[in-house]
Amino acid sequence: NAGVMQNPRHLVRRRGQEARLRCSPMKGHSHVYWYRQLPEEGLKFMVYLQKENIIDESGMPKERFSAEFPKEGPSILRIQQVVRGDSAAYFCASSLTTGTDSYEQYFGPGTRLTVT
Amino acid sequence: AQSVTQPDIHITVSEGASLELRCNYSYGATPYLFWYVQSPGQGLQLLLKYFSGDTLVQGIKGFEAEFKRSQSSFNLRKPSVHWSDAAEYFCAVGSNYGQNFVFGPGTRLSVLP
Repeated sequence: NAGVMQNPRHLVRRRGQEARLRCSPMKGHSHVYWYRQLPEEGLKFMVYLQKENIIDESGMPKERFSAEFPKEGPSILRIQQVVRGDSAAYFCASSLTTGTDSYEQYFGPGTRLTVT
Repeated sequence: AQSVTQPDIHITVSEGASLELRCNYSYGATPYLFWYVQSPGQGLQLLLKYFSGDTLVQGIKGFEAEFKRSQSSFNLRKPSVHWSDAAEYFCAVGSNYGQNFVFGPGTRLSVLP
């Protein structure tokens, strides 16, 4: 069973360009979470999605950032008009379910975004 | 709102010595608690978790953690550290509503030969 997959692993964008980060959850997982890790800091929650639904986006910046998890295909985190402050590692996690004894999140290897 | 503190930013121990990494949380109900390890440039690997039951939980790589409700703590321990344990360690708290995890700022562990 393949783990959580993220691509690309490294992404370089110039200021003003768009960045699209992809996350394929573990097989059978229908819950996806996106986190951002700034240099020398811990992970900060951005958004929690289930298939075709955004459940909690309280950690997402109000402008330029959006996320989706379509019925088919990977979850996408999209950053429009990137700025240098967006440079960070973006991690995706998935879980099988929530609110039960089996609840835990499995993390992907991350996408390291560099804005030049 | 949930919060997690890890008082030690950086800890250095000698190989073979014992280790304890501290984690304190703030949460209104019974928390779900986790410890993750992150090697440089890598993702996070789950070491162990606590949901309920026995307050001493065993994890992978010889790690264990003890949940102490009275102290709101979930400290990670290992009796004998190996050089390969050098990494960043994150404590996290989750709710039983399946929402996001709140992570602590992390503790960087260095191991001296």
